[in-house]
Amino acid sequence: QVQLVESGGGVVQPGRSLRLSCVASGFTFSTYGMHWVRQAPGKGLEWVAGIWYDGSNKYYADSVKGRFTISRDNSKKTLSLQMNSVRAEDTAVYYCARDLAGIFVFDIWGQGTTVTVSS
Amino acid sequence: QSALTQPPSASGSPGQSVTISCTGTSSDVGDYNYVSWYQQHPGKAPKLMIYEVTKRPSGVPDRFSGSKSGNTASLTVSGLQAEDEADYYCTSYAGSNHVVFGGGTKVTVL
Repeated sequence: QVQLVESGGGVVQPGRSLRLSCVASGFTFSTYGMHWVRQAPGKGLEWVAGIWYDGSNKYYADSVKGRFTISRDNSKKTLSLQMNSVRAEDTAVYYCARDLAGIFVFDIWGQGTTVTVSS
Repeated sequence: QSALTQPPSASGSPGQSVTISCTGTSSDVGDYNYVSWYQQHPGKAPKLMIYEVTKRPSGVPDRFSGSKSGNTASLTVSGLQAEDEADYYCTSYAGSNHVVFGGGTKVTVL
């Protein structure tokens, strides 16, 4: 079935780096845009970054621009988020999500991976 | 881009209807017909319920409907059921390849 599985979360110190991954299955990964969306503890959802189906264009929320990098490997059906210079406010559950039709509609979500930034 | 404004809570009895508003600006909700709604149960991933203001993905009951007027979009849940108790989030495309979320509305079935 159509599925997204995130991994890579954990506890990281402020200022350090972490890399999240999301493996897709059950659909043609290379034909869909993909996104990362996060949710801080007890808070609402926040879009983080998005990438075109072929990786040619990438977009970031102002809160992470210059620190996070989204990428994808279509041969491995994998979406990644490289998180550098992390801050306490980056603590959240990070979800990867499929874009229905390139219009920022998230029709398939993973189960999420938790990132905690703490010293 | 600022977050969209949603009421923090809404409630209704089983069988009744509840409507959740989502207020943005002329730069997001008012400018694009790309408003979506997501349902999230505690500890679970969000689920797409409505997209492009009024469209329902396959499998979403027709009790869920969306609309928009000016800078405000709305989600209506008719015939409330116990399983509809959840948090609901709206989103809108905001131009420049950005999307904004609402703060979320907790729906309680009384």
